[in-house]
Amino acid sequence: DGGITQSPKYLFRKEGQNVTLSCEQNLNHDAMYWYRQDPGQGLRLIYYSQIVNDFQKGDIAEGYSVSREKKESFPLTVTSAQKNPTAFYLCASSIFAGQNSPLHFGNGTRLTVT
Amino acid sequence: AQSVTQLDSHVSVSEGTPVLLRCNYSSSYSPSLFWYVQHPNKGLQLLLKYTSAATLVKGINGFEAEFKKSETSFHLTKPSAHMSDAAEYFCVVSVSSGGYNKLIFGAGTRLAVHP
Repeated sequence: DGGITQSPKYLFRKEGQNVTLSCEQNLNHDAMYWYRQDPGQGLRLIYYSQIVNDFQKGDIAEGYSVSREKKESFPLTVTSAQKNPTAFYLCASSIFAGQNSPLHFGNGTRLTVT
Repeated sequence: AQSVTQLDSHVSVSEGTPVLLRCNYSSSYSPSLFWYVQHPNKGLQLLLKYTSAATLVKGINGFEAEFKKSETSFHLTKPSAHMSDAAEYFCVVSVSSGGYNKLIFGAGTRLAVHP
């Protein structure tokens, strides 16, 4: 079955450490996205990529970094510069980065930083 | 500026009764509108989408939504709630911004279904 795989499901880190969240898709989608979800809030966009080797900052990119070296993969690094990293992180993809293209989501990674 | 307002943060219904989740949007352009559902600790799943075709959109699991331009609303309904419908629902407006598909999410409505 085609889909988006995020790993790990739960991740625990000490404050001051960088951590990388994995996102892989086998849907052959061009566009990929990272969102952050906090309780009682909608999703907020961290980074997006419309094509391999290209990515753009979203609304809350500070303290995060990404790469898009392969079409299938869009890893997110949460750096020590992110002030409040504890959150639920969702990766998504779409066929193309157009207005009518719905997103397909992974099952998320819950990151806890203490 | 584009925005989405989900009018209820929590909705509680009895099994077998109708469901109404309300959404109002603000957009300068002709928007595409979506409803997504999220079960606990899961990703979001697309329920339905409106893309300027028929104003009454049918989705999965018996849900439907009606686009009303005059009221700038896109309310989600279901005639009869099932226990498995208990989840969080997000109304989303999509606009093109510099060739990118910019999604604006509502804050979500948590639906509880009681026996």
